[in-house]
Amino acid sequence: QSALTQPASVSGSPGQSITISCTGTSSDVGGYNYVSWYQQHPGKAPKLMIYEVGNRPSGVSNRFSGSKSGNTASLTISGLQAEDEADYYCSSYTSSSTRVFGGGTKLTVL
Amino acid sequence: QVQLVESGGGVVQPGGSLRLSCAASGFNFSSYAMHWVRQAPGKGLEWVAIIRYDESNKYYGDSVKGRFTISRDNTKNTLYLQMNSLRAEDTAVYYCAKDRVGATPEYWGQGTLVTVSS
Repeated sequence: QSALTQPASVSGSPGQSITISCTGTSSDVGGYNYVSWYQQHPGKAPKLMIYEVGNRPSGVSNRFSGSKSGNTASLTISGLQAEDEADYYCSSYTSSSTRVFGGGTKLTVL
Repeated sequence: QVQLVESGGGVVQPGGSLRLSCAASGFNFSSYAMHWVRQAPGKGLEWVAIIRYDESNKYYGDSVKGRFTISRDNTKNTLYLQMNSLRAEDTAVYYCAKDRVGATPEYWGQGTLVTVSS
């Protein structure tokens, strides 16, 4: 199972919006609505930010939103804040009943 | 609140074995699937394995299939990962995670470090 494809890095200024893409295949991202996004600060455990493509767990800011088109999912963060600076990982259920992660994207808030 | 505490990590020689444990509390452990996910130093997340709530199904990532075994004891609210034939590339922080739906890791522990080195 190959990892999903994410950009290695993205950046934005406070208050701006950024979007992180996550490209897979019809056997994972394109085939199921079980795409999730995780935020990880250095030395910390990952935190679920989006599940089932576009749903936010309780307590996650509505500045975070998710979507999907074909084999590509996207995470958008609006109104960037300094505390958003972190690594972000997408993940998808697969046709083998397993899970696959993207390579991760480092978000820098300028 | 959900709490997951991993233990059992350490230094092991190549070819050796190690068993990780994950103690769960704050939710009905016996009703949820559970995951192991690992992260090599400075690298990204890699999904390792999942076990259904009743052990009816277990699935593994390609890199650990045939070497690692996931199991659980619902009477002790504990998840396990038996790791055999360890290789240097298995060096990582190992996280356990509670499933949501659709094999989605939801809540994560703080991880335990496994180092495979001679």
